[in-house]
Amino acid sequence: EPEVTQTPSHQVTQMGQEVILRCVPISNHLYFYWYRQILGQKVEFLVSFYNNEISEKSEIFDDQFSVERPDGSNFTLKIRSTKLEDSAMYFCASIAGRYTGELFFGEGSRLTVL
Amino acid sequence: AQSVTQLGSHVSVSEGALVLLRCNYSSSVPPYLFWYVQYPNQGLQLLLKYTSAATLVKGINGFEAEFKKSETSFHLTKPSAHMSDAAEYFCAVIPNYGGSQGNLIFGKGTKLSVKP
Repeated sequence: EPEVTQTPSHQVTQMGQEVILRCVPISNHLYFYWYRQILGQKVEFLVSFYNNEISEKSEIFDDQFSVERPDGSNFTLKIRSTKLEDSAMYFCASIAGRYTGELFFGEGSRLTVL
Repeated sequence: AQSVTQLGSHVSVSEGALVLLRCNYSSSVPPYLFWYVQYPNQGLQLLLKYTSAATLVKGINGFEAEFKKSETSFHLTKPSAHMSDAAEYFCAVIPNYGGSQGNLIFGKGTKLSVKP
């Protein structure tokens, strides 16, 4: 069964360092997403990406964040200068078509900022 | 803005008992509603979804949910809990249908514990 894969599963970094989280969405999907979940809190939408550009972003997704699809398979989230409050589980998701609603999620990348 | 509210951050039931997880939504237009499950150390998995067809929706693992417009609710139920149902459950809505690319807005989640 096709699945969304994320790497790394866990990353520990120092405050101020740059972090790149990687995702390989399901191959025939067209829309890609990043969500985050701070420990004990709800899953929050960060950004959606379609046709090689950001289609929507939340207020959480400030200038410290960027996304990229550098090739035909990877979808990355970059945090330029990490802060303590960026510590969270980051989930990548993809969807085949608009409004089908069934997002397929990866298992997440846990980011710990010290 | 559309949102979902999940009543109870933690629900505990005995094995074999009824599971009822509550979700209320706020929406000015008919929403798309979803329940996702997150098992420990795993990603989110779709349990079921309502997309304005039948109001009673059946999902995986014996779960079902009923869309009640008059109550703006989409509660998740299962007649008989199993130990393997222990997980966190998230209700979600697609906001602004017609303008969104399909990104979901999640509730805060309800952690379900099942006692033997």
